[in-house]
Amino acid sequence: NAGVTQTPKFRILKIGQSMTLQCTQDMNHNYMYWYRQDPGMGLKLIYYSVGAGITDKGEVPNGYNVSRSTTEDFPLRLELAAPSQTSVYFCASSQTGREQFFGPGTRLTVL
Amino acid sequence: AQTVTQSQPEMSVQEAETVTLSCTYDTSESDYYLFWYKQPPSRQMILVIRQEAYKQQNATENRFSVNFQKAAKSFSLKISDSQLGDAAMYFCALYDSFGNEKLTFGTGTRLTIIP
Repeated sequence: NAGVTQTPKFRILKIGQSMTLQCTQDMNHNYMYWYRQDPGMGLKLIYYSVGAGITDKGEVPNGYNVSRSTTEDFPLRLELAAPSQTSVYFCASSQTGREQFFGPGTRLTVL
Repeated sequence: AQTVTQSQPEMSVQEAETVTLSCTYDTSESDYYLFWYKQPPSRQMILVIRQEAYKQQNATENRFSVNFQKAAKSFSLKISDSQLGDAAMYFCALYDSFGNEKLTFGTGTRLTIIP
């Protein structure tokens, strides 16, 4: 049982480049989330989804986009990367929205 | 809006001793859930323990237990018989059904275990 998987584990981007962070869960959870964690801070919600085809903004959505075409996948798109997007990104899933299970994270550096 | 405050950026404890990490929160809802997550150097977020607000009994998971004081909006984590593997960042988190169905995290407490 893989749980929540994220790819890549690490990535370095140049300013202005774009990329997609992949997230897949195999627990058939309806809820999925993207968080970012800046150094010394807790997690802040970027976007979330309560089911396939339904997404909504979280606390810090600017500069990001998401889609949810299947229950399993919830990719996060960064357009025109900026140094302020240097962070660790976590994907999570949940059956109820409460108890969330996290992926291993992606460390992104924008130079 | 919900808030979660962890006032201890760092804590340390001798191996085999007991340590308590503090967390206070604020919500206007009566139906909510509280969690402690552990983040070791591997970066993985691991759920340690959860508490439903409607339950008066404090949650316990092996060496981990909570002191849930609803009126004071306090939710502390007690780790007994501390082990080297307990060294990590610990995050307190709050979920309520009307908070955009999301977790609100505190800023974390870094726990060091002294051998």
